[in-house]
Amino acid sequence: QVQLVQSGTEVKKPGGSVKVSCKASGYTFTTYYVHYVRQAPGQGLEWMGMINTYNGATNYSPNFKGRIAMTRDTSTSTVYMDLSGLTSEDTAVFYCAREPPGATKGFDYWGQGTLVTVSS
Amino acid sequence: EIVLTQSPATLSLSPGDEATLSCRASQSVGSNYLAWYQQKPGQAPRLVVYGTSRGATGIPDRFSGSGSETDFSLTISRLEPEDFAVYYCQVFGASLWTFGQGTKVEIK
Repeated sequence: QVQLVQSGTEVKKPGGSVKVSCKASGYTFTTYYVHYVRQAPGQGLEWMGMINTYNGATNYSPNFKGRIAMTRDTSTSTVYMDLSGLTSEDTAVFYCAREPPGATKGFDYWGQGTLVTVSS
Repeated sequence: EIVLTQSPATLSLSPGDEATLSCRASQSVGSNYLAWYQQKPGQAPRLVVYGTSRGATGIPDRFSGSGSETDFSLTISRLEPEDFAVYYCQVFGASLWTFGQGTKVEIK
């Protein structure tokens, strides 16, 4: 069955960086794009960016450009999201999600989420 | 960037009622690019509808999506206890993805 399994809880200091991983299984990894979505406590969903797992091309939200980097390792079917310049506003749950190929759009499977707390 | 405005912010209904959630886009959206998600406390979002009106795998047929251009809606025909949750619409446009701010469907 399709699974996206994310890395565990992180506690980081302001100004630092965090790397969240998302390991895919149960499907052909390079067929689907992978996205990351941020959700601050009690708030809504915010799209951060995506990676084409086939060729590594990325597309980031302007809200995160300059401090986000997404990479993938096809040998382990894992996508990584690096976020730098952390502030208290980055205290949130970060989700990865996959996007199926095709004309109609939506994120059909999601990881369980990774809680990142930014605190001095 | 397309801005999505969802209304109402909160919908208070009873089991068995019909729920209609609205999502308005700041500019015209391709019908292939509008999706809806359900999120329960402590859980990841779940895809409910994609391509404006296509039910995702495993979603009961009491969920239906409709709309075009700038106005879209999600209807839940007979609310079941498990349907009480927050619902988000999402759009893809100009190479960016955007979510609405969410509508909470709560038990009256």
